[in-house]
Amino acid sequence: GQQVMQIPQYQHVQEGEDFTTYCNSSTTLSNIQWYKQRPGGHPVFLIQLVKSGEVKKQKRLTFQFGEAKKNSSLHITATQTTDVGTYFCAGPSGTSYGKLTFGQGTILTVHP
Amino acid sequence: DSGVTQTPKHLITATGQRVTLRCSPRSGDLSVYWYQQSLDQGLQFLIQYYNGEERAKGNILERFSAQQFPDLHSELNLSSLELGDSALYFCASSVALLNEQFFGPGTRLTVL
Repeated sequence: GQQVMQIPQYQHVQEGEDFTTYCNSSTTLSNIQWYKQRPGGHPVFLIQLVKSGEVKKQKRLTFQFGEAKKNSSLHITATQTTDVGTYFCAGPSGTSYGKLTFGQGTILTVHP
Repeated sequence: DSGVTQTPKHLITATGQRVTLRCSPRSGDLSVYWYQQSLDQGLQFLIQYYNGEERAKGNILERFSAQQFPDLHSELNLSSLELGDSALYFCASSVALLNEQFFGPGTRLTVL
């Protein structure tokens, strides 16, 4: 079945450093979504990318969707302690229309 | 606050028991999703309903069942509970299939 892999699994950074997490799907995706889960919280939707090669920015966050629509990345510039949490990518299953397959997430720790 | 409510917040029960988790989606959302999140398994999709009908199924055990009622709230029934069923169970809702999902605060199930 479809697999969505994320790397790295963990990332520790000093406040002010940049951070990037990568997401790779075993199948071509019609779209990709990113979510953030703070410690003790629930996943919160960040963004959805639909077009091949799409790049979207939200303040210090930059999201990219690969040309082949099989990979994506999230880059955070100059991390802050508020960026702490787990970042998940998720893609719809090609065979099961309503199903969203989540990557295992990247846990980001920011040291002040 | 995502607008999705889940009850109860915490549930402690014994092996072999049966429990029911309840979810009320955001007003206007027709689609409800159930996920299981445990430390070693990440966020696992269980099942999805759209306007009362089951639309997608993930790795949901036969001991687990769900339904969406005419008022669009959903219930997840877990029976013959095992220690390994201890996890955080999230409900999410969306307006339509493949749209962004709004997660509830989750129900933490502990099976002793």
